[in-house]
Amino acid sequence: AQSVTQLGSHVSVSEGALVLLRCNYSSSVPPYLFWYVQYPNQGLQLLLKYTSAATLVKGINGFEAEFKKSETSFHLTKPSAHMSDAAEYFCAVIRSGAGSYQLTFGKGTKLSVIP
Amino acid sequence: DSGVTQTPKHLITATGQRVTLRCSPRSGDLSVYWYQQSLDQGLQFLIHYYNGEERAKGNILERFSAQQFPDLHSELNLSSLELGDSALYFCASSVSSQRGWQETQYFGPGTRLLVL
Repeated sequence: AQSVTQLGSHVSVSEGALVLLRCNYSSSVPPYLFWYVQYPNQGLQLLLKYTSAATLVKGINGFEAEFKKSETSFHLTKPSAHMSDAAEYFCAVIRSGAGSYQLTFGKGTKLSVIP
Repeated sequence: DSGVTQTPKHLITATGQRVTLRCSPRSGDLSVYWYQQSLDQGLQFLIHYYNGEERAKGNILERFSAQQFPDLHSELNLSSLELGDSALYFCASSVSSQRGWQETQYFGPGTRLLVL
């Protein structure tokens, strides 16, 4: 079985401050990991993905995430928060095998950016 | 605008009823994915179809079924509806499938279902 834990259902940062959204996973096999963003009243948008290549993954809008196997983590960061970053962020893990795959989402972290 | 369309945008129905949600993927995309987002269950992957064939199945209830038609649009059928089925149902599409889950998926605006 696999699971995803996002620490903090709500995170507030000041504009210009570092954004750190935490994601820990459990998986019995090497996982593939994703971060999605959902803006109010919209569908999901892929921010970045880890698919067993480089452990530091750069995504859109200045976000990046680092895969740390020893810590089973895939935390999302951005050096300087912008007002437009206010949204809900979802971490997801995929385990593939036997011609199919399992996709599991975390419960999401709502990011507020304070001017 | 992602290019993925979903109809209807809103749906209100009663317990025990059956509804059909429709999704049209982006032009040229062969894969369609369905997701459910609710306050209780969070975001859940339901099912993935590629070119008419089921590719992967997630937490889809037996009361729910989906299919993808030759013109590549997809329908999600929800039957014997319960209060807990009230949720936002998204579909997404991507170009292909072999490792479709690695591809960028483009999401539609969703269908908001309310079961009373």
